[in-house]
Amino acid sequence: ILNVEQSPQSLHVQEGDSTNFTCSFPSSNFYALHWYRWETAKSPEALFVMTLNGDEKKKGRISATLNTKEGYSYLYIKGSQPEDSATYLCAFPTGTASKLTFGTGTRLQVTL
Amino acid sequence: EPEVTQTPSHQVTQMGQEVILRCVPISNHLYFYWYRQILGQKVEFLVSFYNNEISEKSEIFDDQFSVERPDGSNFTLKIRSTKLEDSAMYFCASRTGTGVSGANVLTFGAGSRLTVL
Repeated sequence: ILNVEQSPQSLHVQEGDSTNFTCSFPSSNFYALHWYRWETAKSPEALFVMTLNGDEKKKGRISATLNTKEGYSYLYIKGSQPEDSATYLCAFPTGTASKLTFGTGTRLQVTL
Repeated sequence: EPEVTQTPSHQVTQMGQEVILRCVPISNHLYFYWYRQILGQKVEFLVSFYNNEISEKSEIFDDQFSVERPDGSNFTLKIRSTKLEDSAMYFCASRTGTGVSGANVLTFGAGSRLTVL
């Protein structure tokens, strides 16, 4: 059974705080790691797909790093805003159809 | 921006009834998926569909589940005889077939919440 874990499960920060969360995944047979952002009542939306060890990707105030040798990825949010409140999911593709195995998600709440 | 659309957004049904969840994937996508999330649990894979047939399915996807793409646009998930434990949010997703498959993002629909009473 493939194990993709995320921590923390939930996080409550103040507006303007910077924060980060972790995704850990199997380091063998690595193809890629996906990050999705899922706001309540909306579709999960792709943030990043990371494929290379040492990869760093950035989208506005959100960035992610990847360490395939030790099997973890960090997602960083700089200067959190209320609109960043969402569940952040990481996912690991496997199999012929590249199905995604998801982590438990980190639920972020940003308050004023 | 192209979207994956799902209907209904919420369905309440009695145990033992048949349910069909509908999805319209993005038109030039080639791979189609159903996932579900039972409240408080992880999003879990149900089935993938490519070239008009199932390419992979999970242990959850037993004989009471089926998928089809009847008209080249809609992609449906049928649950023949619903059980209480089928209550979940069901997500449809699609992706292109180009490049390294594991690196293709999925585009998800907003989900269909199924409540089985």
